[in-house]
Amino acid sequence: GAVVSQHPSWVICKSGTSVKIECRSLDFQATTMFWYRQFPKQSLMLMATSNEGSKATYEQGVEKDKFLINHASLTLSTLTVTSAHPEDSSFYICSALKSLTRNNEQFFGPGTRLTVL
Amino acid sequence: AQKITQTQPGMFVQEKEAVTLDCTYDTSDQSYGLFWYKQPSSGEMIFLIYQGSYDEQNATEGRYSLNFQKARKSANLVISASQLGDSAMYFCAMRGGEAAGNKLTFGGGTRVLVKP
Repeated sequence: GAVVSQHPSWVICKSGTSVKIECRSLDFQATTMFWYRQFPKQSLMLMATSNEGSKATYEQGVEKDKFLINHASLTLSTLTVTSAHPEDSSFYICSALKSLTRNNEQFFGPGTRLTVL
Repeated sequence: AQKITQTQPGMFVQEKEAVTLDCTYDTSDQSYGLFWYKQPSSGEMIFLIYQGSYDEQNATEGRYSLNFQKARKSANLVISASQLGDSAMYFCAMRGGEAAGNKLTFGGGTRVLVKP
């Protein structure tokens, strides 16, 4: 199997604070992980591609200084939302790419629901 | 650029009946993959089925089958014998080749509600 965990599953924070979300591949190594954001009743939007040992690649329109990504090991990527504001409230989902599968499948974490007051 | 279109925002289906969810895509890549995911209210993304652009046969996984029409650039999902637990959001997604960084592009989704 291929299991990806996220922590925390939900978080409520005050405006102006920073929040760190962890994404772990539990039973495989992932050189590449992806971070998505999903607003209510909308689709998943890719924020950035996280590569182990190198800088993340951000999608157009995503502020790299606001959404800090660190992929320090082959099983862990972190997303830090800095100086969070209410408009950052969203569902954040990570996925981990498992290489050498037939379809280069991404395995998704359960998501983290962020609410900024 | 890759684009995925799901034209049905929501659908009702009677329990035990089949339902078809539409998905069309646009890409200039020769090699690509098409995925369908189910997202229940809990938010987790559940992989349902995969179709490679070079696969000659339509993919099937249990009650799920993918009607792949390459010339029309469509990849419709068919759920047979619908169950109450099938009520969820369904997303079609496309992955380009390695040059595209294996990124997934998602459609807007279709909400399915199965009626008893």
